[in-house]
Amino acid sequence: GDSVTQMEGPVTLSEEAFLTINCTYTATGYPSLFWYVQYPGEGLQLLLKATKADDKGSNKGFEATYRKETTSFHLEKGSVQVSDSAVYFCALSDQGGGNKLTFGTGTQLKVEL
Amino acid sequence: DARVTQTPRHKVTEMGQEVTMRCQPILGHNTVFWYRQTMMQGLELLAYFRNRAPLDDSGMPKDRFSAEMPDATLATLKIQPSEPRDSAVYFCASGPGQTYTEAFFGQGTRLTVV
Repeated sequence: GDSVTQMEGPVTLSEEAFLTINCTYTATGYPSLFWYVQYPGEGLQLLLKATKADDKGSNKGFEATYRKETTSFHLEKGSVQVSDSAVYFCALSDQGGGNKLTFGTGTQLKVEL
Repeated sequence: DARVTQTPRHKVTEMGQEVTMRCQPILGHNTVFWYRQTMMQGLELLAYFRNRAPLDDSGMPKDRFSAEMPDATLATLKIQPSEPRDSAVYFCASGPGQTYTEAFFGQGTRLTVV
């Protein structure tokens, strides 16, 4: 079945540091890939998505590229801010899955001054 | 600004009591999901509806949990009887159903069973 593996947290960085959160997936067919972010006490919000191989999703300075050859969708940001502190979830949706998401376990990011 | 609305936001109840959580999906969305989030298990899919019909509830404990969509504007998740191990945050999400589109999440109901 489908699965998503992402790096364990927490990840602690200083402000303006470079961020990478690794995500790999297993799926049949050609899934869509997503990064969701959860701020404390809130629901999940879509951060970015990519729907086919080599697509790059981007939003708020975050980027992720759909790499079919390595089945990966790593999240990156060049310079993190304290306000980026949150839990980040990698997820996939199978073709025809109708928005049904398979999530990774989440990675907590803490950004310090 | 269209959003998924969940009520209540917080619920504290005693073991054995019935709990009902409600969700109003985004107008026009035809897929609805219930997820449970705990520290130990992360995000678990409990139930999945398309056009109000249940497609997958394999993640839901059948003996005490039930999920329904009485109409297109309301989804409910009931627990009867509730147990302390049901304490978690329950999220509802809805989506337009097409390939390549995403699901939109509500803010969740934090349930504490004492």
